[in-house]
Amino acid sequence: NAGVTQTPKFQVLKTGQSMTLQCAQDMNHEYMSWYRQDPGMGLRLIHYSVGAGITDQGEVPNGYNVSRSTTEDFPLRLLSAAPSQTSVYFCASSYSRTVDTEAFFGQGTRLTVV
Amino acid sequence: GENVEQHPSTLSVQEGDSAVIKCTYSDSASNYFPWYKQELGKGPQLIIDIRSNVGEKKDQRIAVTLNKTAKHFSLHITETQPEDSAVYFCAASSAPSGDYKLSFGAGTTVTVRA
Repeated sequence: NAGVTQTPKFQVLKTGQSMTLQCAQDMNHEYMSWYRQDPGMGLRLIHYSVGAGITDQGEVPNGYNVSRSTTEDFPLRLLSAAPSQTSVYFCASSYSRTVDTEAFFGQGTRLTVV
Repeated sequence: GENVEQHPSTLSVQEGDSAVIKCTYSDSASNYFPWYKQELGKGPQLIIDIRSNVGEKKDQRIAVTLNKTAKHFSLHITETQPEDSAVYFCAASSAPSGDYKLSFGAGTTVTVRA
C-alpha cells in the first residue's frame, strides 16, 4: 500500500520562485490537509479539503494555494517563495471529514528558500 | 480556535523507566485526542487515540488518560525501550467554523538512555 505520497522529498528555491508540492493518496479518503512543521511550533495547518472541489484555509494560509480536482490529489502551490516558508511540509489524509479517525501522513518535503 | 499546549518539550529517561507527556486544550467542544510519534526523517504516525466519552485507554506499554473537566490529557509510556526515542505530538479535534480540524501541540522529544 502506497498510502500518502509526497514529492519531492527535498527542494531548494530562490526567493520569488514558485513551485508545487505534490500529494497523492490511494485510500479514497475524503479529508486531506497540508501542514508545515517548524522547530518548537509543532504542526500548523495551512489548507485543508473535505472532498473534491472543496478547500478551505487553515491556521497559516498566506502565500499558499491549493486545489482538489480529484479525491486522490491535493497539490500545494507556493506563489512567490519567501525565506519564511523554509520548513518541512506534510500532507495528510483521513477517512472521515470529522477528523476523528486516523490521519495518515506522507514522508514530508523539506523546503529551503534562499 | 483550539490551542493545544504540550509539556515538556524534551524528556530524557533511563531505559525501563516510565515517560509521561502532558497536554492541555482550550476548546471544551473538542472530542477526539490522538497522539502521534515521529521518527527521524519520517512523517508522524498515530500510536493511540482517545475520544471524549472515555477516561483512559491502554495499548500494551502505552496509555492515554483524559480529564475533560480540566481539559487535559496525558500519554504514559511504561518500560521504555530505545525504540521509543522519537518526537511525540498530542492533538485535539475541534470544529470552530463548521469543519473539523486537528490542532497539534509543539511536540516532545523523548530520548531513552540505554
